[in-house]
Amino acid sequence: GAVVSQHPSRVICKSGTSVKIECRSLDFQATTMFWYRQFPKQSLMLMATSNEGSKATYEQGVEKDKFLINHASLTLSTLTVTSAHPEDSSFYICSAPDSYGYTFGSGTRLTVV
Amino acid sequence: GEDVEQSLFLSVREGDSSVINCTYTDSSSTYLYWYKQEPGAGLQLLTYIFSNMDMKQDQRLTVLLNKKDKHLSLRIADTQTGDSAIYFCAESPSGGYQKVTFGIGTKLQVIP
Repeated sequence: GAVVSQHPSRVICKSGTSVKIECRSLDFQATTMFWYRQFPKQSLMLMATSNEGSKATYEQGVEKDKFLINHASLTLSTLTVTSAHPEDSSFYICSAPDSYGYTFGSGTRLTVV
Repeated sequence: GEDVEQSLFLSVREGDSSVINCTYTDSSSTYLYWYKQEPGAGLQLLTYIFSNMDMKQDQRLTVLLNKKDKHLSLRIADTQTGDSAIYFCAESPSGGYQKVTFGIGTKLQVIP
């Protein structure tokens, strides 16, 4: 089946630094990638939708200058958390539509110290 | 806006059946999904159902849809300890490239 590879799985960074999260579709072309954020004991909240070759669409309340999304190819979408702060610590998951619905990456646990 | 609601917690004994319930508000929901999330992992699609279906069965999993009441349930037969996870109900108006709305997730605890 369709696989989305997400890296890194865990990252700890210092406050003020930037972190890049990658999602690759391994055996299919992902023209669209959804980026979610999940706080502890809460559901997934859609942050933004990226489309290959065009600007991402951000959900209300999500700072586009802080969460930079790039979808330069049909198999790679990246999310960069810029100038990270402790409140950005969360679980980030990407998802791409496939034949049956949506395939999710394994998630990235970001901890900002 | 769209809303998906689930109970937070369910505890069952190994070998019993588990039933996880979900209600949604969007009458235009066409695709309804059940995802499983194990600790620290991403989401795994368990099953899905189209809004024109009442039931779908896949091995130990049975999905029931009451479109009139906007109620979706997931039944896991012969629940095993490996089924312990968080189960998310989700809906999408048309699948594919549309926004998916997730419930808060139901934590299933299976007692040996």
